[in-house]
Amino acid sequence: GAVVSQHPSWVICKSGTSVKIECRSLDFQATTMFWYRQFPKQSLMLMATSNEGSKATYEQGVEKDKFLINHASLTLSTLTVTSAHPEDSSFYICSAQTSGRAYEQYFGPGTRLTVT
Amino acid sequence: GQQLNQSPQSMFIQEGEDVSMNCTSSSIFNTWLWYKQDPGEGPVLLIALYKAGELTSNGRLTAQFGITRKDSFLNISASIPSDVGIYFCAGHQGSNYKLTFGKGTLLTVNP
Repeated sequence: GAVVSQHPSWVICKSGTSVKIECRSLDFQATTMFWYRQFPKQSLMLMATSNEGSKATYEQGVEKDKFLINHASLTLSTLTVTSAHPEDSSFYICSAQTSGRAYEQYFGPGTRLTVT
Repeated sequence: GQQLNQSPQSMFIQEGEDVSMNCTSSSIFNTWLWYKQDPGEGPVLLIALYKAGELTSNGRLTAQFGITRKDSFLNISASIPSDVGIYFCAGHQGSNYKLTFGKGTLLTVNP
């Protein structure tokens, strides 16, 4: 149980274009989803917290107009990187929480974004 | 924000050896979680701890929630090559659902 998927697993895009990453909880309803960014050999950096049907809460220093988050249902959240630049290249990972075990986050497999 | 001090940063061990790693904080946490991350993958939850003093096992893994609520350790017994990866501790405090992560322990197991 508690399976989270992400799509795509990797994507290459040109500078200036936008990329959408999907995060789905497959066998449970996720009241809260989180988006993280991870640089090589570093820990996870929380970008934003999203609750179904409401606006995402962004961490300090994360541009909300650049990283658009939509949490339209209890099983789907999307992250759109707008006007991507090479410095946006990174490993993006989502996680989801159930209401039952509120502090346990279950992670997706991650999306490797490369901006050329 | 609150930092978790995770140590060691890396470990090189022989197959069959036991491993211990820990996380400490200067403030109290309500929940401790241990994750393992393989290269190019998302972290996988290994053990969740909810009470001070709690000792929980998951196969060859054992983790404890420190009695002061400021630390936790993870032990792996009889290590095998597939134990290779990065282990992260994470803690929760306060009224929101955010987790604070340690910087990770890179484990290498030599067959």
